[in-house]
Formats: sequence, structure tokens, C-alpha cells
Amino acid sequence: QSGLTQSPSTSGTPGQRVTISCSGSNSNIGSNPVNWYQQLPGTAPKLLIYSNNQRPSGVPDRFSGSKSGTSASLAISGLQSEDDGDYHCVAWDGSLNGPVFGGGTKLTVL
Amino acid sequence: QVQLQESGPGLVKTSETLSLTCSVSGGSVTSGDYYWSWIRRPPGKGLEWIGNIYYSGSTDYNPSLKSRVTISVDTSKNQFSLTLRSVTAADTAVYYCATDPTGVGIFFDFWGQGTLVTASS
Repeated sequence: QSGLTQSPSTSGTPGQRVTISCSGSNSNIGSNPVNWYQQLPGTAPKLLIYSNNQRPSGVPDRFSGSKSGTSASLAISGLQSEDDGDYHCVAWDGSLNGPVFGGGTKLTVL
Repeated sequence: QVQLQESGPGLVKTSETLSLTCSVSGGSVTSGDYYWSWIRRPPGKGLEWIGNIYYSGSTDYNPSLKSRVTISVDTSKNQFSLTLRSVTAADTAVYYCATDPTGVGIFFDFWGQGTLVTASS
């Protein structure tokens, strides 16, 4: 099953702003909302952003999401050491008739 | 607040059947508030939605796994279960149970801690 495309890794220093991208197609990101999950080492994923740019209660406003066409992005500003982990995007795919995830991006805070 | 806990064998022989159970506390599998879901993450790869079950017993599965997967509910124990038949090494993954209030398979608000299942001969 084809998934969304994410860069395998990225890095940043404390205080910096980083962006993680997620690329798809008209059948998924192009026509459906995108959610983002944060997965810290050794823990289960946590919902970070839903409906492209909405933050669940308790998620700091340092995290923001956006979508344009068939791509979505997650931005993290004021990077902190505790942000070190994996970030996953997901969207419903109308052609596959099911949700598709990205391969995950590993964020390393240097 | 719903709490979930996966349980089951950590090692399954290839060609055999993987069986996991998710115990639910702080909520009821009969409530209708959630679609009770399974997601997995193979080593070095991203997350993959396996499927879900609703309190009515209706199920929805990932098309790529549908022929091998069954998700069921045990209301007497407040648990739901995953069965994956004819496993191969590609089924080695950390398996998570989770709650999905939408049923779409992209919004999961509560998760279990996950359990590693290795498929090996």
C-alpha cells in the first residue's frame, strides 16, 4: 500500500525552528485533512496536530501545521531537547479506501 | 480517561497466527464512543493502520491485510483482540491498540504502550 512521503531525518539546535514535510497525492493530502503524531523514544505516538492545523488541548503552540495542495508541513519553533523523536503524518486515501501514513521523520535535537 | 494495555506472545513462528489482546479500563468497549483500533510499526518503518471494531461488532480493515486479519470484542472482559494469520517476517512490529472517536483511522487519542511481536522461524 503506497504511503505518504517524509524525509527520513532532520535535525536542529535548541531554540531553532524546524519544518518537517509530508508529500502525498490528490487522493490523500490533496483532498483530505492531515494529522500529525509525535512519538518520543520508547513511547506510543501522541496526536500533535489534527485537521491540518488544529492542536489538541495541551499541545504547545510551538507546534503548528499547514497544508498546501498535495503537501503538508509540521513546524516546530523554539526547539527543545524533549522534542527529540519521530514525527508521523497521516491522511485518508480515497483511492486506497483507507488511511495512509508517512514513513516517519526522525528529529534529532543537537 | 481511557487506558489500554496490550498483551500476548512476543514471538510467533512464521506461517502461524499472531494473537494479541487489548484490555480497556476507564471506558467500555460497548459504549459506542470509540472505534477500537490496532496500529503497528515495523522496525525502521512508519506506522500502519491495521483495522478497527465498533461496539456493534462492525469491523474495518486495512485492504492490504484484510485477508489475514480479524478483530473481535469480548464484552465480558472489556477487551478487544487482534488475530493475524499466516505471519511472515514482515509482520514483525510493535503493535499498538488505540481509540479512534471517528472511525476514519487517522485520529487516535488514547494508546496502549505497545508490544513487540517478532515473527521468526
